[in-house]
Amino acid sequence: SAVISQKPSRDICQRGTSLTIQCQVDSQVTMMFWYRQQPGQSLTLIATANQGSEATYESGFVIDKFPISRPNLTFSTLTVSNMSPEDSSIYLCSVGGTGIGTEAFFGQGTRLTVV
Amino acid sequence: AQSVTQPDIHITVSEGASLELRCNYSYGATPYLFWYVQSPGQGLQLLLKYFSGDTLVQGIKGFEAEFKRSQSSFNLRKPSVHWSDAAEYFCAVGTTGGFKTIFGAGTRLFVKA
Repeated sequence: SAVISQKPSRDICQRGTSLTIQCQVDSQVTMMFWYRQQPGQSLTLIATANQGSEATYESGFVIDKFPISRPNLTFSTLTVSNMSPEDSSIYLCSVGGTGIGTEAFFGQGTRLTVV
Repeated sequence: AQSVTQPDIHITVSEGASLELRCNYSYGATPYLFWYVQSPGQGLQLLLKYFSGDTLVQGIKGFEAEFKRSQSSFNLRKPSVHWSDAAEYFCAVGTTGGFKTIFGAGTRLFVKA
């Protein structure tokens, strides 16, 4: 299994500002994923982050709004840029399973409120 | 592209009654399937998973799910629901080669006394 730590756990931010969320994993992993869960909604994949290459974004998400860094195999950051109240969500970091028969693991999430 | 459909937005059952939550998936290869539960204000908890083999899988908290390839379904069941089961349930499909997980919209379960 993998233990994932996310920081901050929650934050309240002013519109127009940016917030960077950190994700630390206790083991080296190839792929890391960032999800968004809007209030009362399901989890939507934002992007896949591989070490040493640019992140791959899902439809509806762009790098200018959600820049991602992946400097090594245990760490990633997601920045929510130029925030608006519509960005108020829970943002979750996830790592893929390590092989056949294992599932993805999720951090506890970052609860973001934009005012 | 892979996708997951949970046709029921919410379901209400009486405590002690049986439960079945529906899930249909679309995926070109052999799917890895999951059910997660999320209680209010809590993180995701894995209930059970299917990768291969026996199509009836047992999970935690008395839940089970049956994989039916012909119907592209992976329905979750519990024979007797407890009030503490009230939560949001997500069906998900995991892709090979990285286990990117795609979630269904979720089904909110309400349990009445």
